[in-house]
Parts: sequence; structure tokens; C-alpha cells
Amino acid sequence: DVKVTQSSRYLVKRTGEKVFLECVQDMDHENMFWYRQDPGLGLRLIYFSYDVKMKEKGDIPEGYSVSREKKERFSLILESASTNQTSMYLCASSLLGGGDKYFGPGTRLTVT
Amino acid sequence: AQSVTQPDIHITVSEGASLELRCNYSYGATPYLFWYVQSPGQGLQLLLKYFSGDTLVQGIKGFEAEFKRSQSSFNLRKPSVHWSDAAEYFCAVGAGSGTYKYIFGTGTRLKVLA
Repeated sequence: DVKVTQSSRYLVKRTGEKVFLECVQDMDHENMFWYRQDPGLGLRLIYFSYDVKMKEKGDIPEGYSVSREKKERFSLILESASTNQTSMYLCASSLLGGGDKYFGPGTRLTVT
Repeated sequence: AQSVTQPDIHITVSEGASLELRCNYSYGATPYLFWYVQSPGQGLQLLLKYFSGDTLVQGIKGFEAEFKRSQSSFNLRKPSVHWSDAAEYFCAVGAGSGTYKYIFGTGTRLKVLA
């Protein structure tokens, strides 16, 4: 079974802090994704990566950056957290050719 | 522009009753279509998908969905709902090469009455 794990299920940070959300997948998938989930808005793509050190912006990249130094790990970085970044963050992975995405359990981030 | 609409925000059904969750999409070419389920506190799990071929697709947990090109719809159905089906359901359309870029609907939350 594909497993996508996220470093924290719940996280509380203060405004202005630098925040790291970590995601690891164990199926040698090339593609990895970060989504943000908000009520009434569904899932929105923040960034994705199709290879180590490669990244592309999604629909809502502002205020976020990403890092992929190893194939299995994809990090989402909030350089200076703000209250409007309070949300559920979901990581996903898939094979390079597309197809099924496998999702992690999510990190619920609260910025106070 | 590509879009996915799930017109029902909440649906309540009794256990054992049939279920249909609606999904309409807007996409220029033949879409790749997906249904995901999210149980409370969990990530998303793929229920089923349509790429091509038979327009009625079977998924896990007894779900099925029918692709209707003329109606731009991909509705999810289950003949008899179980209490464990209570969750949020997301429809998605895959756009772009390799279907990397999914567009998700806003979700339908299903409540099941005992």
C-alpha cells in the first residue's frame, strides 16, 4: 500500500513564525503535491513537484514556498505565517504519468 | 475555464437508503474524472475514476459512478448506504498532461441516520 505521511496532524503557530510542513511518501512516486483545504472552497493546489529540486506553482502559491531535496520528501514552507493561512494542508503523491493521487492524513495548521 | 460543481453541500440519508451525489464539470476535452472520500480527520481516499471506455465505473466500498457526456455529469451512486459511509465526498476533474492538475469540487458532506 502507498503510504503518504505528514509530520504533524495538528500545529499551532504564531503570526510571523516560519513554519515547515513535511511530507514523505514511500512508493517512489515522482510527483508530489501540496493542497490547501478550506470549507466551501474544496482543495486548492499550492505547489507541486515532478522531480527532485523541480517545482511548479499551483493556483495559490502566494505566501508559500517548497523544497524537494530527496525524491520521497516534499516540504511546504510558510516564510512568515499569517492568520489567513490557518487551514488544513494535504500532501499527495502520484506517478509521473499521472493517474491516482494518494493523499496523506493532513495537517491542521492554526496561526494565532 | 475548467470547473467542477457539486451542487449539494450537505445530504442526509437513512441507513439502507440509496444515495446519489451530483457532480457537474466544465472541461473542453474528454476529462479524467474522480471521486474521493474523506472520513473525519483523514486524508482523501480514491473511490473510483473514469478515463475512457465504459461510462459506468465501479469503485470500492460498493460505489459506482456514471459518466454522461451530454449532461457533463459524473454522479456517484450507492444502492444501500451504511452508517460508515458518513464522510465528505469530493469530485475532481483531471486537466492537463499527466492529469497532474486536478480541479476539485467543493465537496458534499453526507450524514447517515441510523
